Amino acid sequence: DTAVSQTPKYLVTQMGNDKSIKCEQNLGHDTMYWYKQDSKKFLKIMFSYNNKELIINETVPNRFSPKSPDKAHLNLHINSLELGDSAVYFCASSPSGRGVRANNEQFFGPGTRLTVL
Amino acid sequence: GQQLNQSPQSMFIQEGEDVSMNCTSSSIFNTWLWYKQDPGEGPVLLIALYKAGELTSNGRLTAQFGITRKDSFLNISASIPSDVGIYFCAGQRGGSNYKLTFGKGTLLTVNP
Repeated sequence: DTAVSQTPKYLVTQMGNDKSIKCEQNLGHDTMYWYKQDSKKFLKIMFSYNNKELIINETVPNRFSPKSPDKAHLNLHINSLELGDSAVYFCASSPSGRGVRANNEQFFGPGTRLTVL
Repeated sequence: GQQLNQSPQSMFIQEGEDVSMNCTSSSIFNTWLWYKQDPGEGPVLLIALYKAGELTSNGRLTAQFGITRKDSFLNISASIPSDVGIYFCAGQRGGSNYKLTFGKGTLLTVNP
């Protein structure tokens, strides 16, 4: 199936630990994103990479570090996890081209529910 | 940061009824999109709007890009139980390629 996939689906960990979430898309898109959805379902962009280059970096603690080994993958590493990091993290991708339209049609993965105890 | 005001927050309707929800902003957006999120899943794109005044349909769903470019609405006709979920509007401002701002969502419940 062509899609955006994330692993793991659920992640439960202790405060202070370091963890990673992986994302892969086989849609041939050039741009990938990480979003955080809080307990009130509010979706907020965290990072975006275009062809492995960071293009969006919102006000996110530097404990969060995205890494894009190639344009089909965008991983999220989180150091020293805190209780407030508990949320659902979504990866997304979009095609990029000369037209603005393509950039905005973002396709989301199934999400990773992170619980910090 | 820029906020989109989405209303209503939640709706409880009977199967077969029509539904309308909207999003407003104090700023101009170049693009409006509507997504649906099912429980435990990621948002799925329903409709994308790129031109002021544009009216676009996707099955029983119809969305419009407001003339002022500061609002959009989504209508669902003849609702069915599988329409339940959270509906999000999202907008992209000029000069903000790739970056979408999301509304807070409308939770739709359909009673069979």
